[in-house]
Amino acid sequence: GNSVTQMEGPVTLSEEAFLTINCTYTATGYPSLFWYVQYPGEGLQLLLKATKADDKGSNKGFEATYRKETTSFHLEKGSVQVSDSAVYFCALRSTQGGSEKLVFGKGTKLTVNP
Amino acid sequence: GAGVSQTPSNKVTEKGKYVELRCDPISGHTALYWYRQSLGQGPEFLIYFQGTGAADDSGLPNDRFFAVRPEGSVSTLKIQRTERGDSAVYLCASSSSGGAVGELFFGEGSRLTVL
Repeated sequence: GNSVTQMEGPVTLSEEAFLTINCTYTATGYPSLFWYVQYPGEGLQLLLKATKADDKGSNKGFEATYRKETTSFHLEKGSVQVSDSAVYFCALRSTQGGSEKLVFGKGTKLTVNP
Repeated sequence: GAGVSQTPSNKVTEKGKYVELRCDPISGHTALYWYRQSLGQGPEFLIYFQGTGAADDSGLPNDRFFAVRPEGSVSTLKIQRTERGDSAVYLCASSSSGGAVGELFFGEGSRLTVL
């Protein structure tokens, strides 16, 4: 079945540091890939997405590129801020097999210190 | 409201009791999803509705769990004979479009604690 494996946390960085959170997936067909973010006390919200190979999703300074050859969708940001502290979830969604459910990784907690 | 609304936000119950959790999706969204999130884990799929019908209920863990969406809008997740292992945050999400590309909008969840 479809699955997502992401880098285990927690991750602690200083402000302005470079961030990478690794994500790899297993899926049949051609899934769409997503990063969701959960800020403290808030619901999950979409950060960025990519729907086909070599697409790059970007938002709020975060980027991730859909790499079919390595089945990866790593999240990066060049300079993190304290306000980026949150839990980040990689996810995929595929219509193969007739289901449209979103499958999530376990999440990576990021803490950015001033 | 503008977003997905879930009630109650917190529910504490005793083992063996019956619980209902409600989800009010974004107006006009035809797709509705229920997920369960245990502490330190990612959301785990339970059930997906397209309109009034359950298109995929493969994530429901057993027959104590049931969900309805009778008019294609509000949905209720029902848990019978609750067990301590049912304690989790139950998330609802809705989407305006089907297929693999549509964005899911999540509510803030209903935290269920079974004593």
